[in-house]
Amino acid sequence: EDQVTQSPEALRLQEGESSSLNCSYTVSGLRGLFWYRQDPGKGPEFLFTLYSAGEEKEKERLKATLTKKESFLHITAPKPEDSATYLCAVQGSSASKIIFGSGTRLSIRP
Amino acid sequence: EAGVAQSPRYKIIEKRQSVAFWCNPISGHATLYWYQQILGQGPKLLIQFQNNGVVDDSQLPKDRFSAERLKGVDSTLKIQPAKLEDSAVYLCASSLESRNSPLHFGNGTRLTVT
Repeated sequence: EDQVTQSPEALRLQEGESSSLNCSYTVSGLRGLFWYRQDPGKGPEFLFTLYSAGEEKEKERLKATLTKKESFLHITAPKPEDSATYLCAVQGSSASKIIFGSGTRLSIRP
Repeated sequence: EAGVAQSPRYKIIEKRQSVAFWCNPISGHATLYWYQQILGQGPKLLIQFQNNGVVDDSQLPKDRFSAERLKGVDSTLKIQPAKLEDSAVYLCASSLESRNSPLHFGNGTRLTVT
C-alpha cells in the first residue's frame, strides 16, 4: 500500500535560519511526488512536482530534491511569510490517486 | 484563470442531519477530487471523477456519503446522516488529467457536526 510520512510534525525557526523538511514514501512505481503549501483556512497551493531520483526544483527560497525513498524541501534564509503547513503527496504507477502525508507545520519567528 | 470554487465556506449541523457541498472546478479540467481533511492531518481522498465517471471511491463511506458530477463539470458531495466524526474540512480539487498533473484546490468547506 502506498504510504507517505513527513517529519518533523512541527518546526520553529528564527528568520534567516535555514533547514529541511523530510518526506519519506513507499509506492509501487513513483509517477510523481508533489509538494504543496497550505495556509490556515485555505486549500493547499501547488509548489513542485518531481518525477525521478536526482531531480531538483527551486522556487524563491525553496528547493525540493528527490531520492528513491524520500524527498526534502530545503528552505534557505526563511522569512515570516514562509510560515505555513507544507504537504507532500505521491502518485504511484498502479493507481491514479494522490496520497498525502500529514504535513509539517513551519513557523518562522522574526 | 479562475480557481476551484466551493460553497458554502462554513456549515454547522446537528448529528443525523444531512448536508451538501458544491464544487465548480477549473474550466477544462477533466479530473475532479473530493478530499476530507481532519484538523492536524493531511487530506484524505474520498472520491475521484474522470469526466462523469468514478475512478476511485474506495475510501468513501458509502452508507452515508454520496457524490455526483454533473455533465462532467460541477460536483456535489452529500452526507446523510452526519456523525460527529464527519467534522472536517471538505476540499475539492481538479486537474487537467488524472496522471502527472498537479491538483488545484478550492478553499474548502469547514463542516462542524454537533
